[in-house]
Amino acid sequence: AQKITQTQPGMFVQEKEAVTLDCTYDTSDQSYGLFWYKQPSSGEMIFLIYQGSYDEQNATEGRYSLNFQKARKSANLVISASQLGDSAMYFCAMRETGANNLFFGTGTRLTVIP
Amino acid sequence: NAGVMQNPRHLVRRRGQEARLRCSPMKGHSHVYWYRQLPEEGLKFMVYLQKENIIDESGMPKERFSAEFPKEGPSILRIQQVVRGDSAAYFCASSPVGQGDTIYFGEGSWLTVV
Repeated sequence: AQKITQTQPGMFVQEKEAVTLDCTYDTSDQSYGLFWYKQPSSGEMIFLIYQGSYDEQNATEGRYSLNFQKARKSANLVISASQLGDSAMYFCAMRETGANNLFFGTGTRLTVIP
Repeated sequence: NAGVMQNPRHLVRRRGQEARLRCSPMKGHSHVYWYRQLPEEGLKFMVYLQKENIIDESGMPKERFSAEFPKEGPSILRIQQVVRGDSAAYFCASSPVGQGDTIYFGEGSWLTVV
């Protein structure tokens, strides 16, 4: 089974609107961490936001927030007030307790329309 | 994050040659990870190293691939006798500790095998 599932291969959003990128995960661990990364066309992987499984509050970083629903095993990324520079691939990832690595989803390509 | 330095950014090798990719972690980070990204896919874990130690190489192909992180100098990912299927982006990441929420990636090294 896939540990991270991103069901939206591509998404479009109007500039200045908000957009939600979906991510569901599969783990039997009680303690784990969830990450979102942005990969623009230049290729680098940019860390956006982190949510620990025991964090009671949803993580926020500027225009990025993570809609963490533990019972549903979802960790959706919300980008508010989209900008043209937000056009990129977005990857959700998870690290389980004791694991040395991140499991990545297949990504969502976001296009912001002017 | 620009703090993790990878070079070269782009490397072209003929089939059968060797590829060496280098990674200098962020200052203060002693844990290094290598990931591979095939076209249109998410990142896949390869190996996790600390200084002079390979901690987890469960994602490394059994042959032709090796990694090191010497006491002095960058971490090296070495691919011997490259084949076309090795063409990919290779990302290095670093963290200050082995577990935690601070994992930053370099800008990647794009290997093309011709």
